[in-house]
Amino acid sequence: AQKITQTQPGMFVQEKEAVTLDCTYDTSDPSYGLFWYKQPSSGEMIFLIYQGSYDQQNATEGRYSLNFQKARKSANLVISASQLGDSAMYFCAMRSFTGANSKLTFGKGITLSVRP
Amino acid sequence: SQTIHQWPATLVQPVGSPLSLECTVEGTSNPNLYWYRQAAGRGLQLLFYSVGIGQISSEVPQNLSASRPQDRQFILSSKKLLLSDSGFYLCAWTLPTGSSYNSPLHFGNGTRLTVT
Repeated sequence: AQKITQTQPGMFVQEKEAVTLDCTYDTSDPSYGLFWYKQPSSGEMIFLIYQGSYDQQNATEGRYSLNFQKARKSANLVISASQLGDSAMYFCAMRSFTGANSKLTFGKGITLSVRP
Repeated sequence: SQTIHQWPATLVQPVGSPLSLECTVEGTSNPNLYWYRQAAGRGLQLLFYSVGIGQISSEVPQNLSASRPQDRQFILSSKKLLLSDSGFYLCAWTLPTGSSYNSPLHFGNGTRLTVT
């Protein structure tokens, strides 16, 4: 069974500073993918970034990057140059590459508040 | 381009009344479809997923059911709502299994259901 753990109850960051949101996972599958989503107060789920378990380099997408440490089973999201619009809930999710469907298992999320 | 439509956006229903939430996807064929529920301030719980017409898998035994009468239509139903069915319901799609493992889930805007 897969499990995603996000234990930070709430994070605060000053505008224009960088922030790291933690995610650890547990799986026995050799191949898997890790995803991060942003959920603003409107409720929509916005896909941010993807990291494959066999990717040699950490994923980056604009101001978002993943600090992927496979041996530690962690995939922390780094947001650089925080903006007020980054205030939202952030979810880490995992997909196993085995099995008949492509479901994502989500963590409980982290609330990020950006201060002006 | 692909789009996903989910309606209604909000719904207030009395206990014991029926429920029907609909989700349709455009611009892709044979997608995997998902229903998630999110309790207030919590993570996403997978309720149902479907890899094809008429193929429904349930993740959590509950008062709800799902159907996929057409390739790109996914319906969440209940015959009699309970108070505990209140929550934020999200429909999502992704490419068929095996097509692209790094394909993220694409979510609809969600339905906020309040059972009174």
